[in-house]
Amino acid sequence: DTEVTQTPKHLVMGMTNKKSLKCEQHMGHRAMYWYKQKAKKPPELMFVYSYEKLSINESVPSRFSPECPNSSLLNLHLHALQPEDSALYLCASSQEQGRNTEAFFGQGTRLTVV
Amino acid sequence: LAKTTQPISMDSYEGQEVNITCSHNNIATNDYITWYQQFPSQGPRFIIQGYKTKVTNEVASLFIPADRKSSTLSLPRVSLSDTAVYYCLVVNLAGGTSYGKLTFGQGTILTVHP
Repeated sequence: DTEVTQTPKHLVMGMTNKKSLKCEQHMGHRAMYWYKQKAKKPPELMFVYSYEKLSINESVPSRFSPECPNSSLLNLHLHALQPEDSALYLCASSQEQGRNTEAFFGQGTRLTVV
Repeated sequence: LAKTTQPISMDSYEGQEVNITCSHNNIATNDYITWYQQFPSQGPRFIIQGYKTKVTNEVASLFIPADRKSSTLSLPRVSLSDTAVYYCLVVNLAGGTSYGKLTFGQGTILTVHP
């Protein structure tokens, strides 16, 4: 199983809502990543978790709050987002942070903030 | 973090070999070069990774000259389904604050014509 599963596939939320994006992998990977991708732009790294601990935070606003409850799950909690936060949010995993460069990406969650 | 430069777009025809070159002039000793492919509304997919000389897998070849300041991804006999964005990344696998960071540059939009 080389799959990274993200739910939901689509999400529409208001600026006062709280929602969560979920990501799951069962490959035994110990590094997990969140990316944000705007239309016609490259994916931008947001967070990296290594062995369930936050390893890298790319100065992401606090309205995005990541959580790694166990080695298979990664969540991204969203609160008080702005319309400019609308994007495709991608989750990825790899064996270990820095072991090699092969990461497996999910299909993403298409987020629209209204 | 080594910056990468790629052509914005390329066109090819079915059955041709396509070579996409990436420039990374300030690559560090312990950096690896990796390429990803991305289709619209999907997460990126790992293609190939290399450190020096030539690497080949069932999908592509990666050529890296001795000075490692550039690399070329070679796709043999492309088909319409190879139309995608191709990203070249330089990844630190040694240590430090950028350890294992997969940072995407602008990418090359490859269009394969019938």
